[in-house]
Amino acid sequence: GQQVMQIPQYQHVQEGEDFTTYCNSSTTLSNIQWYKQRPGGHPVFLIQLVKSGEVKKQKRLTFQFGEAKKNSSLHITATQTTDVGTYFCAGSRGGSYIPTFGRGTSLIVHP
Amino acid sequence: GAGVSQSPSNKVTEKGKDVELRCDPISGHTALYWYRQSLGQGLEFLIYFQGNSAPDKSGLPSDRFSAERTGGSVSTLTIQRTQQEDSAVYLCASSLVRQGGTPYPYSNQPQHFGDGTRLSIL
Repeated sequence: GQQVMQIPQYQHVQEGEDFTTYCNSSTTLSNIQWYKQRPGGHPVFLIQLVKSGEVKKQKRLTFQFGEAKKNSSLHITATQTTDVGTYFCAGSRGGSYIPTFGRGTSLIVHP
Repeated sequence: GAGVSQSPSNKVTEKGKDVELRCDPISGHTALYWYRQSLGQGLEFLIYFQGNSAPDKSGLPSDRFSAERTGGSVSTLTIQRTQQEDSAVYLCASSLVRQGGTPYPYSNQPQHFGDGTRLSIL
């Protein structure tokens, strides 16, 4: 079945450093979503990417969808303590209503 | 507007007991999902509803797990004869379903999650 691999599993950074998490799918995706889960909270939708090579920005967050629509990344510039949490990608194949979630990357920001 | 509501927020029960978890999705959301999340782990897909039907039950761990949805709204997840390995946070999410467009006539939309039910089996 479809697999979505996400790396790294954990990332420690000093406040102000950049952070990147990567997702790779075994199959071509129709879209990919990104979610953030704060400690003790529930996943919250951040963004959905649909087009090949798409790049979207939300303030310090940059999301990319690969040309082959099999990989994606989330980059955070100049991390802040408010960025702490686990970031999940979720990829869907065409016509499927059920996204496959990556295992998540937990970001720890040291002040 | 109101988000996804789950109850109870916490449930502690003895091994072997049955439990019922409830999810009230966002009004108008036809798709509903159940996930399980163990401590520090990712999201394990359990079941998906489109309206009242469940076209995909592939994630249910065993026949002790069942779920239903009535009136295209509230859903309940039932775990019979609970075991200690059932301890986890059970998350419910709902979403719209976009119809129309190419190349895929149907596509999933962003999921809105509830706060979850933290289930502890003693």
